[in-house]
Amino acid sequence: NAGVTQTPKFQVLKTGQSMTLQCAQDMNHNSMYWYRQDPGMGLRLIYYSASEGTTDKGEVPNGYNVSRLNKREFSLRLESAAPSQTSVYFCASSSSGRDEQYFGPGTRLTVT
Amino acid sequence: DQQVKQNSPSLSVQEGRISILNCDYTNSMFDYFLWYKKYPAEGPTFLISISSIKDKNEDGRFTVFLNKSAKHLSLHIVPSQPGDSAVYFCAASAWSTNAGKSTFGDGTTLTVKP
Repeated sequence: NAGVTQTPKFQVLKTGQSMTLQCAQDMNHNSMYWYRQDPGMGLRLIYYSASEGTTDKGEVPNGYNVSRLNKREFSLRLESAAPSQTSVYFCASSSSGRDEQYFGPGTRLTVT
Repeated sequence: DQQVKQNSPSLSVQEGRISILNCDYTNSMFDYFLWYKKYPAEGPTFLISISSIKDKNEDGRFTVFLNKSAKHLSLHIVPSQPGDSAVYFCAASAWSTNAGKSTFGDGTTLTVKP
C-alpha cells in the first residue's frame, strides 16, 4: 500500500499563476484533509472532506478551492497564486473525522 | 486565539533520559487528543492518542497523560533515543462541535543527544 501520495513534491509559481495539487489515498478512508504548514507553525486546516461529494472550509480557506473527485482523490487548487501562499502543503486522510490521520509527504510550494 | 498551545518550541535531552513534551488547550469541548511526530521533509505520523474519559494511555516507551481540570496534556518518552529527535505536534478535537476535525499546536522540536 502506498498510503497517501501527493504530487508534485516541489513547485515554483509566479504570482497570478494557477495550479492544482493532487492527493490520493489507497486506505479506503472516508475523510480527507488539506493543511498548510508555515515555518515555526503548526498545521492549519485549509479544507476538509468528510466523505465523497462533501467538502467543508477549514481555518484558512481563502484563495483555495478543492474537489473530492472520488473516495480516493482530493485535489487542492490555487486559482491565482500569491506570495502569502508559499508554504508546505500536506494532504491527509482518516477513516473518520475522529480517527488518527495519515499524512502524505508534502508539497513544497514557492510563489515568487 | 490559539486553542492548542505548545509553549516550548524546543527541548533537548540526553539519550536514555525522560523527555516530557507539554500541551495546553483552551476549548473545554475538546474530548480527544493526539500526538504526531514529524521528521524533516516528511509528513507527520500518528504516535498516540487519548480520550477525555481516560487520564493516561501508554504504548511502549510513549505515555500520554491528560489533566482535564488543568486543560493540559503531556507526552512522556522513556527512555529517549536519538531516533526520537523530531518535531512533535499535539492535536485536539471536539466531536460534538466540529465533527472531530483536529486543531494542531505549533510543535515542539525534540533533540535527543547521544
